[in-house]
Amino acid sequence: QKEVEQDPGPLSVPEGAIVSLNCTYSNSAFQYFMWYRQYSRKGPELLMYTYSSGNKEDGRFTAQVDKSSKYISLFIRDSQPSDSATYLCAMSRYGNKLVFGAGTILRVKS
Amino acid sequence: DAGITQSPRYKITETGRQVTLMCHQTWSHSYMFWYRQDLGHGLRLIYYSAAADITDKGEVPDGYVVSRSKTENFPLTLESATRSQTSVYFCASSENGERTGELFFGEGSRLTVL
Repeated sequence: QKEVEQDPGPLSVPEGAIVSLNCTYSNSAFQYFMWYRQYSRKGPELLMYTYSSGNKEDGRFTAQVDKSSKYISLFIRDSQPSDSATYLCAMSRYGNKLVFGAGTILRVKS
Repeated sequence: DAGITQSPRYKITETGRQVTLMCHQTWSHSYMFWYRQDLGHGLRLIYYSAAADITDKGEVPDGYVVSRSKTENFPLTLESATRSQTSVYFCASSENGERTGELFFGEGSRLTVL
């Protein structure tokens, strides 16, 4: 069993929809949680960064961490075609030695 | 330009050949990483380095060699390439400190082993 599980999708939604992306994990020692966005044929870029449990909001993006359930989520409000990308969750115990999920492909249709 | 650059971007080689993928960063970040990305597996850590002359294995190190004689360079060598090493390879760097999970990735090196 992988340490981090993420549904690969693809997830296809109409423009303006609310998108929910999720990851589950098995290692209770993880305390840093991140979401990276990767456009086609590009390197991943950091989208959201959370330490421990709770919510974090940045514009149309909200990251949630529930350590009791070992579950993290990324919500995208008012989704745009430019949000079409692969979204990778990542987490770590100490900071920068990350374990990534497989990535979810998101397609936002105009 | 400042940032992290990888070369070559595309490489086709044959089984048994030695291949070196180059990575260069201009930020003087302490940490550098090599990941491979394969369908269904996401990004898997091959090797990482906390500073010049300090390297350590990641999740999938077999068949790979790294070195870091200078802070800004972190080459990855496949000593005898195999078909299973066909993948997209990403180099990344990060600074130590409050946001150590913020990795900055290069654009990737797409390697095909025939």
